[in-house]
Amino acid sequence: GAGVSQSPSNKVTEKGKDVELRCDPISGHTALYWYRQSLGQGLEFLIYFQGNSAPDKSGLPSDRFSAERTGGSVSTLTIQRTQQEDSAVYLCASSLDWAGNEQFFGPGTRLTVL
Amino acid sequence: LAKTTQPISMDSYEGQEVNITCSHNNIATNDYITWYQQFPSQGPRFIIQGYKTKVTNEVASLFIPADRKSSTLSLPRVSLSDTAVYYCLVGDRGTGFQKLVFGTGTRLLVSP
Repeated sequence: GAGVSQSPSNKVTEKGKDVELRCDPISGHTALYWYRQSLGQGLEFLIYFQGNSAPDKSGLPSDRFSAERTGGSVSTLTIQRTQQEDSAVYLCASSLDWAGNEQFFGPGTRLTVL
Repeated sequence: LAKTTQPISMDSYEGQEVNITCSHNNIATNDYITWYQQFPSQGPRFIIQGYKTKVTNEVASLFIPADRKSSTLSLPRVSLSDTAVYYCLVGDRGTGFQKLVFGTGTRLLVSP
């Protein structure tokens, strides 16, 4: 596609529910990244994929967070048993490869946990 | 990744040149300097990247002194649409840029 797309754009859920956030990277980009941004804060790295593998999961806040990428394309970030502190904008980015190239960001998914 | 320090906010007027300086005293030999721009409710957007001296593109210029302990992003003749948060990042292109570490950035407000 023309750019990175994410869905849904907004998600409101109740505490304790599971949510899935989707990212469609730019076609041909082998690297994919997930970040989150809380209100008024900078971006916090969560995880990155090179192809379908995730060499660095160090940013995932807890074991309630997981992510997968299939076919070297679409990625899903899953948050189980959501908590109010999970409320944030979740941003996905992709880059041509892992070698420090420009990352292209999607519009994000705004998650609100009630 | 080398830690960076930027001003929290800056104010300017339309048509002026804006210079945002970033300090990165612990920059390593292999580190590059990258700037991103973020508008409200949008993801960050790459502006410019450099290693030393000066880099210029259609949007901005990046000035890096010989000791590379700081860098300055220069935005010529800003307009209202340049109001955004600007982030300075430093990292090794080969290993450190896989996960971009964003600080709080510099919030630029351009007024008429």
